[in-house]
Amino acid sequence: EPEVTQTPSHQVTQMGQEVILRCVPISNHLYFYWYRQILGQKVEFLVSFYNNEISEKSEIFDDQFSVERPDGSNFTLKIRSTKLEDSAMYFCASRVQQGGNQPQHFGDGTRLSIL
Amino acid sequence: SQQGEEDPQALSIQEGENATMNCSYKTSINNLQWYRQNSGRGLVHLILIRSNEREKHSGRLRVTLDTSKKSSSLLITASRAADTASYFCATGGGNTPLVFGKGTRLSVIA
Repeated sequence: EPEVTQTPSHQVTQMGQEVILRCVPISNHLYFYWYRQILGQKVEFLVSFYNNEISEKSEIFDDQFSVERPDGSNFTLKIRSTKLEDSAMYFCASRVQQGGNQPQHFGDGTRLSIL
Repeated sequence: SQQGEEDPQALSIQEGENATMNCSYKTSINNLQWYRQNSGRGLVHLILIRSNEREKHSGRLRVTLDTSKKSSSLLITASRAADTASYFCATGGGNTPLVFGKGTRLSVIA
């Protein structure tokens, strides 16, 4: 069964550095998402992306964050000037079509540790 | 927000027993979804129930939805050790982001 794949599985970065988290969504999916989960807390929505632009973003997704689909397969989340509180699991998800009740399919996440 | 909140926060049962987890939410919904998360892994979609449905089955899973009480339950029958995971309800989806609860940590003891 097709899967959403995320790399790296664990990223350790010094505070203030930039980090790029990578995702390869399922190939025929059109909608892409990033969520994060701080240890022991809820999974929180960050941003959704469709047709090469952001369709919705949460208040967490400030100017520090950006997303890009640089080619036909990758979907990246960039965090500039990382802070300690950015330490979390970051999950990418994709969905096949607009509307309806199609589920989002999640990758296994990238554990981001900011030192 | 359309937050889902699960209870109990943690549940420990013996293999073969049934596990019931509950979810409450605040606003009107189009559907409600349940996801499973194994330790260190991503979220796996289990089942979606539409707002006009009251009950739905998938294998050993049974989900109910009571829109008048803004609540849902997930029943896992004849639990197995492999069912050990965290279970989350989520509202939204479709054209809106998923909003997750804090989840129920289920431990099934062999």
